[in-house]
Amino acid sequence: AQSVTQPDIHITVSEGASLELRCNYSYGATPYLFWYVQSPGQGLQLLLKYFSGDTLVQGIKGFEAEFKRSQSSFNLRKPSVHWSDAAEYFCAVGAPRNSGAGSYQLTFGKGTKLSVIP
Amino acid sequence: GAGVSQSPSNKVTEKGKDVELRCDPISGHTALYWYRQSLGQGLEFLIYFQGNSAPDKSGLPSDRFSAERTGGSVSTLTIQRTQQEDSAVYLCASSSPPRAWDSPLHFGNGTRLTVT
Repeated sequence: AQSVTQPDIHITVSEGASLELRCNYSYGATPYLFWYVQSPGQGLQLLLKYFSGDTLVQGIKGFEAEFKRSQSSFNLRKPSVHWSDAAEYFCAVGAPRNSGAGSYQLTFGKGTKLSVIP
Repeated sequence: GAGVSQSPSNKVTEKGKDVELRCDPISGHTALYWYRQSLGQGLEFLIYFQGNSAPDKSGLPSDRFSAERTGGSVSTLTIQRTQQEDSAVYLCASSSPPRAWDSPLHFGNGTRLTVT
């Protein structure tokens, strides 16, 4: 079974500083990888996803993530953080289901809460 | 267009009572997921519906939990004889297979359940 580890429960950065949120996954084959963001009281919004091809993927809101197979990692980065980026971030790994063509089982990490100092 | 809609947004219930949580997926989405989000625990998969296939109930924590999806659209998650440990945010998501690459999950805002 697949699993996801987000080592950092809470990170605080100053506005304008760079950001890297760590994600490590466990899965036997090439996974689908996702980053979601959850603002307070809101559902989860997809930031970016990786399935195959270029290992550096660009997402919305200026985020990017790099898939490193050798390290089983999919870290999320942003060069300059804005106060509005304060939220909780979830990494997820998707494994194809046997039933339901094209659908997948999505397993989430426990999340990293990001605080931004003005 | 409309996103995934969940109701109620908040529910407070007494221990031992039954509750029903509703999810309206995005129109045309054939896959529907329920997750539970507890403080500091991330998202826990509960159940998955895909079209007319048998649902994947492997994540339901006990037989007090059940879910149905009527007409391939609206879903109801029912928790019987609620316990305090059931307090959490229950999130619904939908997607549109079969192309998994193009079908990320779209989440509702969740129902916050508090069992007193």
